[in-house]
Amino acid sequence: SAVISQKPSRDICQRGTSLTIQCQVDSQVTMMFWYRQQPGQSLTLIATANQGSEATYESGFVIDKFPISRPNLTFSTLTVSNMSPEDSSIYLCSVEGAEFYGYTFGSGTRLTVV
Amino acid sequence: RKEVEQDPGPFNVPEGATVAFNCTYSNSASQSFFWYRQDCRKEPKLLMSVYSSGNEDGRFTAQLNRASQYISLLIRDSKLSDSATYLCVVRANTGNQFYFGTGTSLTVIP
Repeated sequence: SAVISQKPSRDICQRGTSLTIQCQVDSQVTMMFWYRQQPGQSLTLIATANQGSEATYESGFVIDKFPISRPNLTFSTLTVSNMSPEDSSIYLCSVEGAEFYGYTFGSGTRLTVV
Repeated sequence: RKEVEQDPGPFNVPEGATVAFNCTYSNSASQSFFWYRQDCRKEPKLLMSVYSSGNEDGRFTAQLNRASQYISLLIRDSKLSDSATYLCVVRANTGNQFYFGTGTSLTVIP
């Protein structure tokens, strides 16, 4: 399975600021996925990042709040913009394996907004 | 109705016990099914895929019941190291959307 390097692993940010999370994959992948896991909750898909096109956002998530870049087949960034305490969460990038192999996740970014 | 539902637990079991988790899914056309394990403050990691015929990996057995739309995970001879949250994951029949259950917390007690 792919190996994903995600950074930063954690950050504490002031409200109103923005944070960019990076994910680097050790192989070329068509799609990368960004998830959020709020405290005590399961994972919620934010968007799918496609190389060479705009990201596809899920209901409740918008590009202005969570802009995504996908400059090549091994890298993606997610920015959490104009942060509020409600954005405090774990953010995870992931890539899909072959059929029946599910997703591989990055180690996650634990974000606290104060 | 949620796409995937599972009992959040917590399940507290003694070492050596057998424990089973169930998970139900709402979309009868779902294609692929997985159990993930998530340790505290860690990312989810694939434990095992769930095949239609059921599959076993050491102490872990996964079953799929399409008629009743549920999957199960059985852990035999529980170890302390099995303590974690177990996530049921279902892949939609179209696109690449994976739906995650809220997880079942397991604590194995010495």
